Amino acid sequence: AQSVTQLDSQVPVFEEAPVELRCNYSSSVSVYLFWYVQYPNQGLQLLLKYLSGSTLVKGINGFEAEFNKSQTSFHLRKPSVHISDTAEYFCAVSAGGSNYKLTFGKGTLLTVNP
Amino acid sequence: DTAVSQTPKYLVTQMGNDKSIKCEQNLGHDTMYWYKQDSKKFLKIMFSYNNKELIINETVPNRFSPKSPDKAHLNLHINSLELGDSAVYFCASSQDGVGGAEQYFGPGTRLTVT
Repeated sequence: AQSVTQLDSQVPVFEEAPVELRCNYSSSVSVYLFWYVQYPNQGLQLLLKYLSGSTLVKGINGFEAEFNKSQTSFHLRKPSVHISDTAEYFCAVSAGGSNYKLTFGKGTLLTVNP
Repeated sequence: DTAVSQTPKYLVTQMGNDKSIKCEQNLGHDTMYWYKQDSKKFLKIMFSYNNKELIINETVPNRFSPKSPDKAHLNLHINSLELGDSAVYFCASSQDGVGGAEQYFGPGTRLTVT
């Protein structure tokens, strides 16, 4: 079974500051990793995903994440945030192979203040 | 064009009633899912269907019954609604069910049981 821990439930930052949202996972098999964003009163949208290959993954809206197998982490970063980045961010994991199950972390609320 | 749509968007009902939520995807995907998001924003998978066949059924009460009339539709019927069923329910779909497939989410149905 796999699990995901998002270490911060809330992250407040000022506009144009850098941000890092932390995610650790645990699994007994190889995994695929995802970051989804949920804007207020909307569904989830994929930001980026790691399947294999380069450990630095670039996504939409200027976000990137780095897969670190030894630390079982997949932290999300953005060098300069905007007010419009205010949203809930979810890290998720699915096991490799034919596994339909996506397991989500509890989410991190990013609030960008002017 | 909406990729994954759900109806209704809001559903307010009394305890003991039976209700249904409908989901349709026009992406040609083979796999569809139902998730429940509780008041603390925690997302948990409930069901998954692949080509109309049930492949995931996570410890969900028998009062919840998914029905997939065809690959493009996955409806959720809930009998004898309870206060604890109040949540946002998300439908999602993916091209296939393997671990790395991106899931596309609908806008959600906010169910309130009074």
